[in-house]
Amino acid sequence: KNEVEQSPQNLTAQEGEFITINCSYSVGISALHWLQQHPGGGIVSLFMLSSGKKKHGRLIATINIQEKHSSLHITASHPRDSAVYICAVTPYMDSNYQLIWGAGTKLIIKP
Amino acid sequence: DAGVTQSPTHLIKTRGQQVTLRCSPKSGHDTVSWYQQALGQGPQFIFQYYEEEERQRGNFPDRFSGHQFPNYSSELNVNALLLGDSALYLCASSSQGGDYGYTFGSGTRLTVV
Repeated sequence: KNEVEQSPQNLTAQEGEFITINCSYSVGISALHWLQQHPGGGIVSLFMLSSGKKKHGRLIATINIQEKHSSLHITASHPRDSAVYICAVTPYMDSNYQLIWGAGTKLIIKP
Repeated sequence: DAGVTQSPTHLIKTRGQQVTLRCSPKSGHDTVSWYQQALGQGPQFIFQYYEEEERQRGNFPDRFSGHQFPNYSSELNVNALLLGDSALYLCASSSQGGDYGYTFGSGTRLTVV
């Protein structure tokens, strides 16, 4: 079992739909990261969370430390949101060492 | 405030050759991590540099080596290139004692022919 699990693996939706991507982890963490990667492109950091909720534009990220679960939401989705969304964690007591990565969620938004 | 800069953006090399990739970290960051991402796969950790030393290493052969300079920039060297080394190489910077945030570069696309 991977230490960071994401679901769904693939997601196709229509433009305008509300999108939720989930991430569960089994290790103690110092921080959780949501990252975005467009096809053939580099990685962009969307959020870093250690508690609560963060919002940036149409993107919202939440984390429940007790349940070891995080969600990334996209409101009013748009075709330009099509990308791979990756959840990664910084393990507790191992800060700034390598991230533990989820397998990613491939999101396709159809016009 | 400049983010992470990687060079070159694309590179084509022949099997057996050697390659050097470069990374300049975000201003204020002192730690550089390198990742290899094969097509359709997730990033694989190569190694991390801090205080000009390799601090942790992933499961990569000794053909992969690196260096960090006093200005915190870093190089990744790969010797005796194999076809399987074709990948996107990502650099991420962070700060010791910082907020655990990572900033990623756009990557170097290496093709070995």
